[in-house]
Amino acid sequence: GAGVSQSPRYKVAKRGQDVALRCDPISGHVSLFWYQQALGQGPEFLTYFQNEAQLDKSGLPSDRFFAERPEGSVSTLKIQRTQQEDSAVYLCASSFSGRGRKLYEQYFGPGTRLTVT
Amino acid sequence: GENVEQHPSTLSVQEGDSAVIKCTYSDSASNYFPWYKQELGKRPQLIIDIRSNVGEKKDQRIAVTLNKTAKHFSLHITETQPEDSAVYFCAARGTASKLTFGTGTRLQVTL
Repeated sequence: GAGVSQSPRYKVAKRGQDVALRCDPISGHVSLFWYQQALGQGPEFLTYFQNEAQLDKSGLPSDRFFAERPEGSVSTLKIQRTQQEDSAVYLCASSFSGRGRKLYEQYFGPGTRLTVT
Repeated sequence: GENVEQHPSTLSVQEGDSAVIKCTYSDSASNYFPWYKQELGKRPQLIIDIRSNVGEKKDQRIAVTLNKTAKHFSLHITETQPEDSAVYFCAARGTASKLTFGTGTRLQVTL
């Protein structure tokens, strides 16, 4: 079946612009996560949804970052007034939250590479 | 919160040799430990995982071991091949649902 998809794959923004990054999770996956991956580093948690409810946003670095998942499927990560330090790959992952062996497994999308100039 | 340390940061092995990557975690409540392989410019790919109620798990050439008492877990790759060359990340799932990742190990398999 189709995996997690993200768009756009690449985004160049001038400092101060707003950007919106989209994630389409695997169909039927209840949980959705956003991570930020700086060059040469491991992914770092940003926020987590279960269906449409945002259960954890402790990783969002500032109030310029906002995420939503209004219908419990597609999610959008919005960054307002982008800064150079926002340059990174933004990864989305989804997980099936039912019972069984696949509980906890997170499957990643290809990421959106954001460059702020 | 959870803290995961990973070493070595780089590892070079000859084709056919074994590779071992080690991670430690801080949260004793962590219950799930996946390993991801990431090739340059690609998404992290789940290659194997282990839960806290199991000490070892094997899948063909890869295996993971977990020592809950010492709070460390390791990835073992046997009979390495050039296509194993990539960056490998360990991760831990604590009381929250999020994963906390290590800093990665760049594995280079040379001919």
